[in-house]
Amino acid sequence: EVQLVESGGGLVQPGGSLRLSCAASGFIFSTNSMNWVRQAPGKGLEWVSYITGRSDTIYYADSVKGRFTVSRDNAKNSLYLQMDSLRAEDTAVYYCAKRFQSTLGSSALDYWGRGTLVTVSS
Amino acid sequence: QSVLTQPPSVSAAPGQKVTISCSGSNSNIGKNYVSWYLQLPGTAPKLLIYENNKRPSGIPDRFSGSKSGTSATLGITGLQTGDEADYYCETWDSSLSAIMFGGGTKLTVL
Repeated sequence: EVQLVESGGGLVQPGGSLRLSCAASGFIFSTNSMNWVRQAPGKGLEWVSYITGRSDTIYYADSVKGRFTVSRDNAKNSLYLQMDSLRAEDTAVYYCAKRFQSTLGSSALDYWGRGTLVTVSS
Repeated sequence: QSVLTQPPSVSAAPGQKVTISCSGSNSNIGKNYVSWYLQLPGTAPKLLIYENNKRPSGIPDRFSGSKSGTSATLGITGLQTGDEADYYCETWDSSLSAIMFGGGTKLTVL
């Protein structure tokens, strides 16, 4: 059974940093691309970042580019999101999500964690 | 404001059919596959449709997807009260090199 479990969320002051983790199990982590997606309170879904299995391709949303860094440790089956220079508008539930292994290049996300809440406030 | 446009809300009676539209552009829906997700209150999103019209294992055939040009549509037949949720479309935007979500549509089953 595929499981994704996020951790590391919490309350942080504006300008501060936080590192999120996502522990993966139930699939071959190293061959799967992963994403971070966030959802501000009462708002819709916003994609944050994407990383391939070998970490050779990485993308970021413009809203976090230059402030957030995605990485992974395939030996530990773990995905990370280093968040620096945090702003109030970064307050959200952050989900890690596995990309569906499509031979057609679909960006579908077939498994999601339960999310971890990040609150940026003084 | 989302690159992909969805109606904020739709509603229909139990047993009826509803469709949810998702409008994009040539750089996203026009070039790439569309997925749909369901999000029940307080839970993580769940994949409903991928590659425009395919259903993952376990998703009933009451849910269907289609795509034409720069728009996509999610259809739900035989509505049940348990279908009340937020629904999101999603695709890759080739110009932005980014995954895009629609703004979400809240389905109410009256």
